[in-house]
Amino acid sequence: DGGITQSPKYLFRKEGQNVTLSCEQNLNHDAMYWYRQDPGQGLRLIYYSQIVNDFQKGDIAEGYSVSREKKESFPLTVTSAQKNPTAFYLCASGASGGAAGELFFGEGSRLTVL
Amino acid sequence: GENVEQHPSTLSVQEGDSAVIKCTYSDSASNYFPWYKQELGKRPQLIIDIRSNVGEKKDQRIAVTLNKTAKHFSLHITETQPEDSAVYFCAASIDSSYKLIFGSGTRLLVRP
Repeated sequence: DGGITQSPKYLFRKEGQNVTLSCEQNLNHDAMYWYRQDPGQGLRLIYYSQIVNDFQKGDIAEGYSVSREKKESFPLTVTSAQKNPTAFYLCASGASGGAAGELFFGEGSRLTVL
Repeated sequence: GENVEQHPSTLSVQEGDSAVIKCTYSDSASNYFPWYKQELGKRPQLIIDIRSNVGEKKDQRIAVTLNKTAKHFSLHITETQPEDSAVYFCAASIDSSYKLIFGSGTRLLVRP
């Protein structure tokens, strides 16, 4: 079954703790993305990766970190340095062959900091 | 970097009427402009996209227009139906960078 899978769907964290969100795709896409969705603010880009072992900061990268060791995987770590981490996080994959194209989104991970 | 502005933030129309959502972008190098629909509790999905070498693209009741000189593009939905109710996002990207920046979204409500 092809697609993009995020886990966990819901996550609770205490202040001061780091948490890692998983994102896996089996669509053979080169590019992977992490977006944050807050009410009324649309989808804001945190990090994106065009290729394995390479990634770039988006507009709101502070307090987040990523890795891209495998083509299929792009985990996001929300660190204790992120001031307002409670949000809905969407992972996506897409684009190959040097041209932007359709993004396929995961179902999202909702993070709540207690 | 690229900045995408989207208007209106909310739009309410009567079933059967048309709906128009407008976006502007800042980076003149952007050449790919997709539109996504997000129904309540679901993931965003692509509904239509356009590249800078064309001015208009249609797919049944949905159309997108692009004005590169003015750096704006619009989504047109004709003969709206209740199932068109959702949040719509525009986005812009430069092909070679893969970086896709979204607008803030428009919540469309189609009243039966």
